[in-house]
Amino acid sequence: DAGVIQSPRHEVTEMGQEVTLRCKPISGHDYLFWYRQTMMRGLELLIYFNNNVPIDDSGMPEDRFSAKMPNASFSTLKIQPSEPRDSAVYFCASTTTAGLGIQQYFGPGTRLTVT
Amino acid sequence: DQQVKQNSPSLSVQEGRISILNCDYTNSMFDYFLWYKKYPAEGPTFLISISSIKDKNEDGRFTVFLNKSAKHLSLHIVPSQPGDSAVYFCAASDYNYGQNFVFGPGTRLSVLP
Repeated sequence: DAGVIQSPRHEVTEMGQEVTLRCKPISGHDYLFWYRQTMMRGLELLIYFNNNVPIDDSGMPEDRFSAKMPNASFSTLKIQPSEPRDSAVYFCASTTTAGLGIQQYFGPGTRLTVT
Repeated sequence: DQQVKQNSPSLSVQEGRISILNCDYTNSMFDYFLWYKKYPAEGPTFLISISSIKDKNEDGRFTVFLNKSAKHLSLHIVPSQPGDSAVYFCAASDYNYGQNFVFGPGTRLSVLP
């Protein structure tokens, strides 16, 4: 398996523009997570899905952020409009509860810079 | 309020010796814990996990110990290797509530040759 795939790896955009980050989880995994990592706040959980249904979005900073999972193999995180304080690395991760315990696998991340 | 704490921002250890990374949590409902390793410009990599029904879990050079009464867990790496130099994150969740993982701030481990 190729692991969790994220695109783009790097995104530079101007304030006010819409940004869409994409994630392809590991096939067969039933949970998908979006995280944000910054120097100030560390790794924060934004939202997670179970079987494509959003379970907890309490970590989403504000209404400018939205996430969707239209099917088991694809999810998007959208920021509209983007602001400089959104600059961070955004990680997608997937897990399965099948088998022993929980193992969470992260993608390589998308480094977002908003100027 | 930080529910998962890693009070040592950094740790240096000589190659071949034991590395001990510590993690404390405040939420007594947490019952599943994971450790991750992260290299620069890469996503975190799962290392090892432990559920609250156990007090120790071992996987090769990595052992995690859980002290539920003290709300403390530790990751032991024996022997430490230069390739272990990375940032290590502790994460916790309340399994019955869902997979809402809370991460600690991380500890940067440097293994010196």
